[in-house]
Amino acid sequence: EAGVAQSPRYKIIEKRQSVAFWCNPISGHATLYWYQQILGQGPKLLIQFQNNGVVDDSQLPKDRFSAERLKGVDSTLKIQPAKLEDSAVYLCASSARGNTYEQYFGPGTRLTVT
Amino acid sequence: SQQGEEDPQALSIQEGENATMNCSYKTSINNLQWYRQNSGRGLVHLILIRSNEREKHSGRLRVTLDTSKKSSSLLITASRAADTASYFCATDAIDSNYQLIWGAGTKLIIKP
Repeated sequence: EAGVAQSPRYKIIEKRQSVAFWCNPISGHATLYWYQQILGQGPKLLIQFQNNGVVDDSQLPKDRFSAERLKGVDSTLKIQPAKLEDSAVYLCASSARGNTYEQYFGPGTRLTVT
Repeated sequence: SQQGEEDPQALSIQEGENATMNCSYKTSINNLQWYRQNSGRGLVHLILIRSNEREKHSGRLRVTLDTSKKSSSLLITASRAADTASYFCATDAIDSNYQLIWGAGTKLIIKP
């Protein structure tokens, strides 16, 4: 079974530029999550999708972050414009049946904003 | 906000020894999960324990849950170098629509 795929693995941009991350979850997993993990901290949920609908985006900075999951499969997270404090690892995860079951994580995208 | 808090923040032991990490949380939960994160394999699910369970085993892992104290412990027996990683607990808070909330992790180092 193929795992969660993410790209790119690394990205370096200047502040005020835009960046996009892509995630393809495990086939058949209805729930998809985007997390932000700052060095030395645990993951922080940015947005959760159930199929192509948003379940929770309460911690997504909507003035600069956006995410979509077209057709309920792969997903894109965008930051525009980026700030220095956005430097972090962005993790995508998927789950077969939502929060009460285990999540499978991709390798993450390490973003550095200079 | 962080629901879970792992203790200790860092732990260094000799290979072959047992390692115990603790997690405390604040509100009622449906289940508690432990994950491991290292540079080689990313974030990996280890074990899930439901609120009506008190103990669960998986290989060299033993997890306990005390809902009256709102705490959990993860025991790794006969540690190996490959166990070097950060360990996180994650809880789904019932009053937060079961959103999974993570602690800051325990950094475990196994010395050869």
